[in-house]
Amino acid sequence: AQSVTQLDSQVPVFEEAPVELRCNYSSSVSVYLFWYVQYPNQGLQLLLKYLSGSTLVKGINGFEAEFNKSQTSFHLRKPSVHISDTAEYFCATRRPSGYSTLTFGKGTMLLVSP
Amino acid sequence: NAGVTQTPKFRVLKTGQSMTLLCAQDMNHEYMYWYRQDPGMGLRLIHYSVGEGTTAKGEVPDGYNVSRLKKQNFLLGLESAAPSQTSVYFCASSRERNTEAFFGQGTRLTVV
Repeated sequence: AQSVTQLDSQVPVFEEAPVELRCNYSSSVSVYLFWYVQYPNQGLQLLLKYLSGSTLVKGINGFEAEFNKSQTSFHLRKPSVHISDTAEYFCATRRPSGYSTLTFGKGTMLLVSP
Repeated sequence: NAGVTQTPKFRVLKTGQSMTLLCAQDMNHEYMYWYRQDPGMGLRLIHYSVGEGTTAKGEVPDGYNVSRLKKQNFLLGLESAAPSQTSVYFCASSRERNTEAFFGQGTRLTVV
């Protein structure tokens, strides 16, 4: 069975500071990895995904993530955050084959203050 | 460009009442999902469907039923609502099993 651990439930940062949101996954087989963002009172929107290939994945809004197989991690980073990045971020995984579905972490709330 | 549309957006039910949540997608996706979101719990899969006429149980299926009579619609039913079903419900769809899921805006359900 797969599981996803987001180590921080809340990350406060100041505007224009860099940020890293941590995600670790547990799976005995290869997986696909995703980061979603949820703005207040909205649905989830895909930020980026790793399916295969380059381990550094670039997404929307200046976010990027690096897949590290040995560390079983898929941390999300942004070099300089904006107030508008305040949202909840979810890491998710699914198996590449079979009738697999997305397994989500519990989410990390990014709070950007001026 | 509607994407995934959920109806209704808000609902208050009394314990024991029944209701149906409707999810409609216009992207011709095969896969559809129902999740519930609770504070500190992330999203948990209730039921899913891999095509018209098929349904399968997810992580937390008890107390819910689903139907996928048409490819574009996925219905979530609560036969006898309980306060523990107070949650925000999200529907999602994906073209294939290994592609990203697109989410609706959510339905906030309160059971009193």
